[in-house]
Amino acid sequence: ETGVTQSPTHLIKTRGQQVTLRCSSQSGHNTVSWYQQALGQGPQFIFQYYREEENGRGNFPPRFSGLQFPNYSSELNVNALELDDSALYLCASSLDGGAETQYFGPGTRLLVL
Amino acid sequence: AQTVTQSQPEMSVQEAETVTLSCTYDTSESDYYLFWYKQPPSRQMILVIRQEAYKQQNATENRFSVNFQKAAKSFSLKISDSQLGDAAMYFCAYRGRPLIGGGADGLTFGKGTHLIIQP
Repeated sequence: ETGVTQSPTHLIKTRGQQVTLRCSSQSGHNTVSWYQQALGQGPQFIFQYYREEENGRGNFPPRFSGLQFPNYSSELNVNALELDDSALYLCASSLDGGAETQYFGPGTRLLVL
Repeated sequence: AQTVTQSQPEMSVQEAETVTLSCTYDTSESDYYLFWYKQPPSRQMILVIRQEAYKQQNATENRFSVNFQKAAKSFSLKISDSQLGDAAMYFCAYRGRPLIGGGADGLTFGKGTHLIIQP
């Protein structure tokens, strides 16, 4: 069984640029959730994708967008990067868009200068 | 909106001793899930234990057990026989049932408790 993987592990961008982060879900999982974890804080829910459609969204602006592909892998796109977007971005996969347990990837550390 | 509060920013325990991490939450829902996740310095969030609110029995996973008090909205984690490998940030998390129409809220996390294991 393959766990959740994310790429890249680290990324440095400048303010105003755009970034794409990638996540491969655990084998057999059809739901991917994305979280932002600022330094010293708990993760905050960005959005969830279930069967290629956005299934729920947290309190994040529209410049945070995503995709889910037929193989259930997912992308998180952030446009017009701001300094406050510097954080660890975690993706988690689960089953059936419901309340099943979410299994997390190792995260992508994004630094915006 | 649901909130999760972890009132202990840091806890320290001697190896082989028992430690309890506190978590309280606020919700108006009657059916939900509660989780404890562990995040070591490697950053990967690892599930420790899960509790379903409709189950009265407290969940147990080897050395880890919870004390779930639904009326008090309290969900503490007890780690018995603490080991050096238990050192990590511990996060309590809440998730409600899926929304009508199929939407989802995602997990709501507390700010975490940094657990230090003294050899």
